[in-house]
Amino acid sequence: KAGVTQTPRYLIKTRGQQVTLSCSPISGHRSVSWYQQTPGQGLQFLFEYFSETQRNKGNFPGRFSGRQFSNSRSEMNVSTLELGDSALYLCASSRDRWENTEAFFGQGTRLTVV
Amino acid sequence: ELKVEQNPLFLSMQEGKNYTIYCNYSTTSDRLYWYRQDPGKSLESLFVLLSNGAVKQEGRLMASLDTKARLSTLHITAAVHDLSATYFCAVVPNDMRFGAGTRLTVKP
Repeated sequence: KAGVTQTPRYLIKTRGQQVTLSCSPISGHRSVSWYQQTPGQGLQFLFEYFSETQRNKGNFPGRFSGRQFSNSRSEMNVSTLELGDSALYLCASSRDRWENTEAFFGQGTRLTVV
Repeated sequence: ELKVEQNPLFLSMQEGKNYTIYCNYSTTSDRLYWYRQDPGKSLESLFVLLSNGAVKQEGRLMASLDTKARLSTLHITAAVHDLSATYFCAVVPNDMRFGAGTRLTVKP
């Protein structure tokens, strides 16, 4: 059974650019959530998508956005990149929404903004 | 504001010793998750605790949940070097909120 797949694994971008990260959940899972992990702030919730709808959003600026497709794959986009956006971005998939099922994490995308 | 507090944040143990990591949370949550993260890697699910009084064990790790006290513990028995990692607890009021993590180092 394939796990959660995130692409790309590594990215280097310049300030002001935009970036799109992709997450393919486990087959049959309908919920995808995104997290930002930094040494200073730890793991912070970005947003959750379930059946193509954003169900929940963390406390991040509007530069961070996402979407989910009909096959449950999800993308997140960060526009006008800042140095502070450098982080490991993790996505997690679960069969149902958080309160009902276990969540499995992908390997993450490490974004470096220079 | 929801708080998920882990204690200690750093733990250096000798092989063969026992220790407990604590996770306190400030909101109602009927379930609690424990994850392990190795350096540069993703999060690996260890335990899902679904009800008050739940206890789960896997190898040298045992986790328990007391929803009334809003406390979970992760007990390490006879630590070995392979357990060196960062351990996170998480609760789910609306979305999954993580503690800061406990960085465990097991020394020979």
